[in-house]
Amino acid sequence: DTAVSQTPKYLVTQMGNDKSIKCEQNLGHDTMYWYKQDSKKFLKIMFSYNNKELIINETVPNRFSPKSPDKAHLNLHINSLELGDSAVYFCASSGTVNQPQHFGDGTRLSIL
Amino acid sequence: KNEVEQSPQNLTAQEGEFITINCSYSVGISALHWLQQHPGGGIVSLFMLSSGKKKHGRLIATINIQEKHSSLHITASHPRDSAVYICAVLTSGSRLTFGEGTQLTVNP
Repeated sequence: DTAVSQTPKYLVTQMGNDKSIKCEQNLGHDTMYWYKQDSKKFLKIMFSYNNKELIINETVPNRFSPKSPDKAHLNLHINSLELGDSAVYFCASSGTVNQPQHFGDGTRLSIL
Repeated sequence: KNEVEQSPQNLTAQEGEFITINCSYSVGISALHWLQQHPGGGIVSLFMLSSGKKKHGRLIATINIQEKHSSLHITASHPRDSAVYICAVLTSGSRLTFGEGTQLTVNP
């Protein structure tokens, strides 16, 4: 029944590793997003896809690569993890870019 | 300076009080969102508005496009309203730019 689901909820890993976070929405939305929330709780857009096409790509290190196999999924792959990548990552979706967004529960990434 | 400024940063109220959280922005927008983030971390969209006023239960959101200002009001506040309230603006290129949030604590 969950509208926007992210997995895993928690991810603890070593510096230098590669990891992925998965996001799926069952709302039939066309647009999906990835946000990063830092330790000060400040949210910032990372990427946005509309119908599997990248429409927003903020100033994010190219170690971060989003992949959208279909419009219901937007996964985030991170290479060579660094300490500064520790944050909570939120996936969201909306019908169109001009409609309210539905958020996943977040993935707390901790780099040791 | 952030393009979206919220005030106050922290707000403590007694149950039953009327609460106002303010949001000012410095860029052209197509819409403004109010979001709620509970202590557990989940984020819920409360309102999306581009003009006037919207009401949902005890929550009211207003926006003045000319003054680039929005307010979120909570009437008859309750401890369960304790959360972080975040203002975000939708700018050109379909980007959401966020304020730093207002931590609200409502004491019984």
